[in-house]
Amino acid sequence: QVKLQQSGAELVKPGASVKLSCKTSGYTFSTSYMSWFKQIPGQSIEWIGMIYAGDGGTGYNQKFKGKATLTVDTSSSTAYMDLSSLTTEDSAVYFCARYSSYTVSFAYWGQGTLVTVSS
Amino acid sequence: DTVLTQSPALAVSPGERVTISCRASESVSTLMHWYQQKPGQQPTLLIYLASNLESGVPARFSGSGSGTDFTLTIDPVEADDTATYYCQQSWNDPLTFGSGTKLEIK
Repeated sequence: QVKLQQSGAELVKPGASVKLSCKTSGYTFSTSYMSWFKQIPGQSIEWIGMIYAGDGGTGYNQKFKGKATLTVDTSSSTAYMDLSSLTTEDSAVYFCARYSSYTVSFAYWGQGTLVTVSS
Repeated sequence: DTVLTQSPALAVSPGERVTISCRASESVSTLMHWYQQKPGQQPTLLIYLASNLESGVPARFSGSGSGTDFTLTIDPVEADDTATYYCQQSWNDPLTFGSGTKLEIK
C-alpha cells in the first residue's frame, strides 16, 4: 500500500535552514508528483509547491518562492523540501502529499513534520 | 489567489444530516475537493472533483456543486465525524484551501 513517511520534528534557530524528507513506498515514485503543504496549528493549510519526480520539474506558490526548494531522490523514492532563512513565522507542521494527475487531488499524505523556529 | 470561504463551525447531533458549504471567489469548475482532518493528524481525502467519493470513504459522505458554490453533506452524522473539514480547489494557481469548518457532534 502507498506510504509516505516524513522525518522527525525539528527545532532550529532563526536564520538557519532545515531539510525535511518524505520517504515513499507502494507506488512508482519516478512517474509521480509530490506536493508540500504548511499548516500552522489551529490554522488552515497552505500549498507550498509541487515537484514531478520524473524530471525534477517544480512549480511553487509565489508566496514560498525563495523560502522552499523541492527536490527528489528517485533512487530512494524520497522527496525533500529545504526551508531557508527561517523565522518564527515558519514554525508549523509541514506535510507531503502525493498528487494524482487523474483526480487532481491528494489521497495520500505523510504524517507531518513539526518545525519549531526558536532561539 | 482563489479564496474559499467556509462557515467556521457547526454543531449537530448524531443521526442528523449536516451540510458544509464552500464558496469560491472565482469559478473553479468542478475541481473542488473535500478533506477531513482530526486533531494531530494529516488530512484525509473524502470527495474529489466535487462529487466523487474517495475509495474507502463511507457513503454517508457526499459532495455537490460547480463553479463557485459547493457542498459537503454527511448523512447521517456519527460521533466519529468530529473533525475539521476543508475544501480545496485545483482549478486556479496557486492551489488553495478553505479556512475550515469545525464540526462538533453534540
